[in-house]
Amino acid sequence: DAGITQSPRHKVTETGTPVTLRCHQTENHRYMYWYRQDPGHGLRLIHYSYGVKDTDKGEVSDGYSVSRSKTEDFLLTLESATSSQTSVYFCAISESPPLSNTEAFFGQGTRLTVV
Amino acid sequence: KNQVEQSPQSLIILEGKNCTLQCNYTVSPFSNLRWYKQDTGRGPVSLTIMTFSENTKSNGRYTATLDADTKQSSLHITASQLSDSASYICVVSVNTGGFKTIFGAGTRLFVKA
Repeated sequence: DAGITQSPRHKVTETGTPVTLRCHQTENHRYMYWYRQDPGHGLRLIHYSYGVKDTDKGEVSDGYSVSRSKTEDFLLTLESATSSQTSVYFCAISESPPLSNTEAFFGQGTRLTVV
Repeated sequence: KNQVEQSPQSLIILEGKNCTLQCNYTVSPFSNLRWYKQDTGRGPVSLTIMTFSENTKSNGRYTATLDADTKQSSLHITASQLSDSASYICVVSVNTGGFKTIFGAGTRLFVKA
């Protein structure tokens, strides 16, 4: 799976608790992304990073924050989890931005349930 | 509004048969179109990437076509195998210099023995 590891793979948490998901890559790709996937919807971009300490919001960023202190790690934090954030979260990496024609690689996903 | 619509939502075929999945998009300006395969419980895996000037792109038994005039793409699977059972996702990137990509909701393909 292109050297991408997401952790944890599964998590159940209570409403109002903070949660951090980790994406680790060994490909040295510059661009990293966090998506969420919900039934009936296409993947939706939460946040992305175009370099160490360089991040920006995607289309569904409310309630999420990210950090990238090293090339290989991209963290997604839910400051205070809500039931609407129950979803499957995917990390992706690419050498170039999406409008280029380089391939993007996805991690295995993290299934998060907020009860 | 930028949208990517895929049809059918789901499809059941017999092993060895061919099938075609459809993707219609209203994204503008267009940059590229990708097809991904997503097995249950796993992340999407890239099948093809096509730019505006490409009409056809193949990857083994998978052949994608693109008609940029009508804003339609199709993914044709030849001689289907049980391992082709998966969701197939069409993704269009917007050429606005940023990171905007629109994902379709996918077509769920079931291949029966």
